[in-house]
Amino acid sequence: EADIYQTPRYLVIGTGKKITLECSQTMGHDKMYWYQQDPGMELHLIHYSYGVNSTEKGDLSSESTVSRIRTEHFPLTLESARPSHTSQYLCASSEFIGRGTSYTFGSGTRLTVV
Amino acid sequence: DAKTTQPPSMDCAEGRAANLPCNHSTISGNEYVYWYRQIHSQGPQYIIHGLKNNETNEMASLIITEDRKSSTLILPHATLRDTAVYYCIVRVANDYKLSFGAGTTVTVRA
Repeated sequence: EADIYQTPRYLVIGTGKKITLECSQTMGHDKMYWYQQDPGMELHLIHYSYGVNSTEKGDLSSESTVSRIRTEHFPLTLESARPSHTSQYLCASSEFIGRGTSYTFGSGTRLTVV
Repeated sequence: DAKTTQPPSMDCAEGRAANLPCNHSTISGNEYVYWYRQIHSQGPQYIIHGLKNNETNEMASLIITEDRKSSTLILPHATLRDTAVYYCIVRVANDYKLSFGAGTTVTVRA
């Protein structure tokens, strides 16, 4: 049973459109993350947040932006989509559980920009 | 975080044990070893993690060498549904970012 939800699951959109990928979690985790993954390639961290009003850029530069106004919600926005943004975007959250950190991933949004 | 080295791919027969190696020769004393897997571009799934002792759960066993420079993930009875990319990751407990490498593509064959 998924405790982290991403919508939409698939999105095909035209160049120049503004899009927002939604990510919500019901576990009360402070820390949330966005990863980008091209088909058959590695996952790359593009954004993360350690709590409300906290956002940081990840290891891979991205033209997307994120916001964290509520603990449970961590949306990712592309102001003007381009074909180079075509990829899968995975959201995750984590909590420290004493013997390490537990991470939970969403099912992802597969974005195609035409 | 310490770098890890994994073989790019391996095959395993259904019903047999799958032993997945990972080298992390520069691991620090406070870095944990985590294993995740990703089935066909779904979100990565947690398998197991450990610091220095061997660990076992319902999915797998993790064997960490005494010098902690390498580890092995053991899937005791591989099934076709275990076909996935397996990631070995080392990180300190207070660094919450999780960085993925290329992983090992495991194919379980009937």
